[in-house]
Amino acid sequence: ELKVEQNPLFLSMQEGKNYTIYCNYSTTSDRLYWYRQDPGKSLESLFVLLSNGAVKQEGRLMASLDTKARLSTLHITAAVHDLSATYFCAVDKAGGTSYGKLTFGQGTILTVHP
Amino acid sequence: EAGVAQSPRYKIIEKRQSVAFWCNPISGHATLYWYQQILGQGPKLLIQFQNNGVVDDSQLPKDRFSAERLKGVDSTLKIQPAKLEDSAVYLCASSYGTNYEQYFGPGTRLTVT
Repeated sequence: ELKVEQNPLFLSMQEGKNYTIYCNYSTTSDRLYWYRQDPGKSLESLFVLLSNGAVKQEGRLMASLDTKARLSTLHITAAVHDLSATYFCAVDKAGGTSYGKLTFGQGTILTVHP
Repeated sequence: EAGVAQSPRYKIIEKRQSVAFWCNPISGHATLYWYQQILGQGPKLLIQFQNNGVVDDSQLPKDRFSAERLKGVDSTLKIQPAKLEDSAVYLCASSYGTNYEQYFGPGTRLTVT
């Protein structure tokens, strides 16, 4: 059974600081997604990582994937209040017709303080 | 382009009652998913459709949950009878195919009392 673990689960940051959220998963996969969820809202897709070594950046967020280590990171640079939300990673099972079956991590609740 | 539509947005029922949720995916998306998100947790996949066929329903509690996707477009998810532990947000998502990014709807928040 695929397990996906995020840490930290809670992250309180000061504006302007940098930090990294980690996503570890237990079985082979070469597809990983990062989503953002604001309170009471649905999930917004941030990044799609489809191969080992993939790195994507959008604004103050950068995501990377190391399939050999079964690890993805979401790096936050110079945090601003607008980044406060819950961030989820989701791993897609590898191979054949299994694509599309996402297993989500527990989520990281990020709060950015002035 | 219109996103994934869901209704109702909120529903409160008593345990042992039945409830149904509706989802209209993005036009042209062949794959449709239903997820259950319990407060404080990540979404859990319940069922995946490709057109009007079921691809995976291994995590659907089939004794009380059922889902259909007639004509390969809209889908309904039903719970009968509901239990307290079914209180959650039910998210519908769609994608062009199983190899493609999923887009999520606003969800239906179900409270079972």
